[in-house]
Amino acid sequence: EDKVVQSPLSLVVHEGDTVTLNCSYEVTNFRSLLWYKQEKKAPTFLFMLTSSGIEKKSGRLSSILDKKELFSILNITATQTGDSAIYLCALSIQGAQKLVFGQGTRLTINP
Amino acid sequence: DAGVIQSPRHEVTEMGQEVTLRCKPISGHNSLFWYRQTMMRGLELLIYFNNNVPIDDSGMPEDRFSAKMPNASFSTLKIQPSEPRDSAVYFCASTPGTANEKLFFGSGTQLSVL
Repeated sequence: EDKVVQSPLSLVVHEGDTVTLNCSYEVTNFRSLLWYKQEKKAPTFLFMLTSSGIEKKSGRLSSILDKKELFSILNITATQTGDSAIYLCALSIQGAQKLVFGQGTRLTINP
Repeated sequence: DAGVIQSPRHEVTEMGQEVTLRCKPISGHNSLFWYRQTMMRGLELLIYFNNNVPIDDSGMPEDRFSAKMPNASFSTLKIQPSEPRDSAVYFCASTPGTANEKLFFGSGTQLSVL
């Protein structure tokens, strides 16, 4: 069964800290791995990763995929209170038109 | 673009009542997905449609749940009869073509069954 496991489930840090969120997976036919950010309501797309070792970057956020060890990390540097959200990792599977989501990491940034 | 539109935003109902959730996908998007989110189970796919045809409903919990997409701009998710364990946030999402990676989510319907 295709599975996505995120860790930690919850994380509280101070503004300015750097955080690393983890996503490991088991899948039969990998196509891509995606990161979403969920603030108040709807998840919004952050990154899509398909190849190992290539970092995707957007401002203070970056992400990388390791297809050999079956995991991805999402880094946020110089965190701000606006980064507080649930971060979701999802798998896209070859031959299936759907995403499989992890449980999410609830990140809280305290001022 | 108005984005994916869901209604109602909040629904409070009593056990045994019928609940209908509505979704209007982004114009031109061919695929539509219904997800349910709870603290315990996270975000789960219930059913998805491609070109208005249900493709995979294996995530629908039981016969009390049904979904329709009568045309390209409208879908419903119905629960009949509702139970307290159905309480969750229900999201609708759409995506162009058959590519499913960059889902566009609606704001969700917060359902509470008392």
